[in-house]
Amino acid sequence: AQSVTQLGSHVSVSEGALVLLRCNYSSSVPPYLFWYVQYPNQGLQLLLKYTSAATLVKGINGFEAEFKKSETSFHLTKPSAHMSDAAEYFCAVMTNRDDKIIFGKGTRLHILP
Amino acid sequence: DAGVTQSPTHLIKTRGQQVTLRCSPKSGHDTVSWYQQALGQGPQFIFQYYEEEERQRGNFPDRFSGHQFPNYSSELNVNALLLGDSALYLCASSWDGSYEQYFGPGTRLTVT
Repeated sequence: AQSVTQLGSHVSVSEGALVLLRCNYSSSVPPYLFWYVQYPNQGLQLLLKYTSAATLVKGINGFEAEFKKSETSFHLTKPSAHMSDAAEYFCAVMTNRDDKIIFGKGTRLHILP
Repeated sequence: DAGVTQSPTHLIKTRGQQVTLRCSPKSGHDTVSWYQQALGQGPQFIFQYYEEEERQRGNFPDRFSGHQFPNYSSELNVNALLLGDSALYLCASSWDGSYEQYFGPGTRLTVT
């Protein structure tokens, strides 16, 4: 069965500091991996996706993630945090096209002034 | 181009009642998936509709049912509401064969 583990339900970083949100997955087949962002009282917005092409994936708003098969990880990073990055971030896995998406429990990112 | 839309935005129901939530997919999309997001949790897959049929189902009781119409829009019905059904219900649309799902803003259901 597929699963996603996000380390840290809350992460705080200072404005301008590096953002690192951790995600580990479990999948019996090569997965598709995603990071979504959710702002308060809104739906989910896709930040970036890994679909078996380049292992370093660049997304919107300066975020990127690296797929590491040996570590079964897909950590999300951003070199310099902005106040507008404060939100809930979800790592997710899908095993086949048209399949359901399995989400982690989320990490709330707080940006300190 | 309108994205995924959902109605209503908010809903308050009493235990035992029934509720219907609606979703219009993004233009060109033919597949609709529904997710339940409880407070402080990640979304959980309820079911997926394609060609007006339920194609996949998550671990939800039969009280949760759905429908897809010829124009690809969809409804989620929940019968005999429980307090635990209080959540944000998200609809996502995609085109058949795609791995990318586009989410709507959700319907916040409160059961009292």
